[in-house]
Amino acid sequence: EVQLVESGGGLVQPGRSLRLSCAASGFTFDDYAMHWVRQAPGKGLEWVSGISWNSGSTGYADSVKGRFTISRDNAKNSLYLQMNSLRAEDTALYYCAKVERGSSSAFDYWGQGTLVTVSS
Amino acid sequence: EIVLTQSPATLSLSPGERATLSCRASQSVSSYLAWYQQKPGQAPRLLIYDASNRATGIPARFSGSGSGTDFTLTISSLEPEDFAVYYCQQRSSWLFTFGPGTKVDIK
Repeated sequence: EVQLVESGGGLVQPGRSLRLSCAASGFTFDDYAMHWVRQAPGKGLEWVSGISWNSGSTGYADSVKGRFTISRDNAKNSLYLQMNSLRAEDTALYYCAKVERGSSSAFDYWGQGTLVTVSS
Repeated sequence: EIVLTQSPATLSLSPGERATLSCRASQSVSSYLAWYQQKPGQAPRLLIYDASNRATGIPARFSGSGSGTDFTLTISSLEPEDFAVYYCQQRSSWLFTFGPGTKVDIK
C-alpha cells in the first residue's frame, strides 16, 4: 500500500525557515518524480515544487522560487522542502504527492498534509 | 505561466443528473490535463489523467475529454458521494498549475 506521510509543519514567524519531510513507502520511490502541493485554508490547490526521480530536474512555482528548495534522498525514501524567508501567504496545508505511473503529469497518491502557519 | 479557468464555479444538481465541468487553458497543454476530486478534510483524489484516462479504481461514470486548450469532465449520473470540489491541473515542462475549482453541490 502506498503511503506518504508529511511532517515538519508548525507555527513559524515571518522571515524564518522550516523544513518539511515526506516519508514514502509501498512503492519504488526512486522510480518516480515527486511534488509538493499546498492549500491555504479555505482555498484551492497550488502546486509548489517538483523533482525528478534522480534529482536531475526541479521546478518551482513563481510564488516560491528563490525561497524554497526541493530535494530527495532515495536511500531514505524521503522527500524534503526547505522553506526560507517564510511569509504569511505561505500559510497552508502542504501535501506531498507522487506522480501517476503511466504519466508524469498527474498525482495519483497524496499524503494527508502538514500544516504550516506563518504568523508573528 | 499557463492559467487554467474552470466553469462554472458552482454546479447545483440532483443525484442521478449529468454533470459537465469545463476547464480552459490560456495556451495549449496538449493532453497533459488531469482532474481531481476533493471532499472536505480530505486530500485530493486523482480521477482522470492525460485528459481522458481514468485513474485506477475510478468508476466508469467519470469521463474526460478534450485536448489543446478545452477540456471537459463528465459525470454521467451523479451519486451522493460525488458532491465535492473538482480541480483540473496541467503540466507544461516542469511547471504545473491547478484551476480554481468547480463545486458540485446538491440542488
